[in-house]
Amino acid sequence: AQKITQTQPGMFVQEKEAVTLDCTYDTSDPSYGLFWYKQPSSGEMIFLIYQGSYDQQNATEGRYSLNFQKARKSANLVISASQLGDSAMYFCASWGSAGGTSYGKLTFGQGTILTVHP
Amino acid sequence: GAVVSQHPSRVICKSGTSVKIECRSLDFQATTMFWYRQFPKQSLMLMATSNEGSKATYEQGVEKDKFLINHASLTLSTLTVTSAHPEDSSFYICSARTLTPLDNEQFFGPGTRLTVL
Repeated sequence: AQKITQTQPGMFVQEKEAVTLDCTYDTSDPSYGLFWYKQPSSGEMIFLIYQGSYDQQNATEGRYSLNFQKARKSANLVISASQLGDSAMYFCASWGSAGGTSYGKLTFGQGTILTVHP
Repeated sequence: GAVVSQHPSRVICKSGTSVKIECRSLDFQATTMFWYRQFPKQSLMLMATSNEGSKATYEQGVEKDKFLINHASLTLSTLTVTSAHPEDSSFYICSARTLTPLDNEQFFGPGTRLTVL
């Protein structure tokens, strides 16, 4: 079973500053993956970044980077140079390699609402 | 890239009626589709996993007879909310996995906002 914890219900950041959104996970699967999604007020889920458990390097996608610390079971999202359009809800999610009905299922954290101030 | 559509985007219905929501993978074949439910400012809750040609697997606590799922083809899954009541009002999102998933990514539809009066 997978469990994702996002302990920050809301975060505020000044435009052009960097912000870190926390995510910790708990899994017994030998192989797993971690995702970050952005959900603006429109409701669509926008894929941001992915980190596989066996990836040697931290994932980066443009202004997004994932600070993956396997020993601590954390996968924090770092957004550099925040923009007003980054204001949204952010979800951390995990995928596990367990078979059967668990295969392919994503487990989501509670989400963090990010507000970027001008 | 992989695109998933949902129809309708919004629906308002009277209590007691049934509502069908369609989820389509437009440019890829999806062996597996997932249906989620989301209340305002809350996380996505997985309702069921839908596999083409077989019965859906429902999560604990989700009523199978209330939320009927049909995955008739590799590009279409439908969720029917039967005898809808106001407490069924929610945002319903589907996602799809490709036949050969890269990094196990799921592609999400834009969601359907259901309001039951």
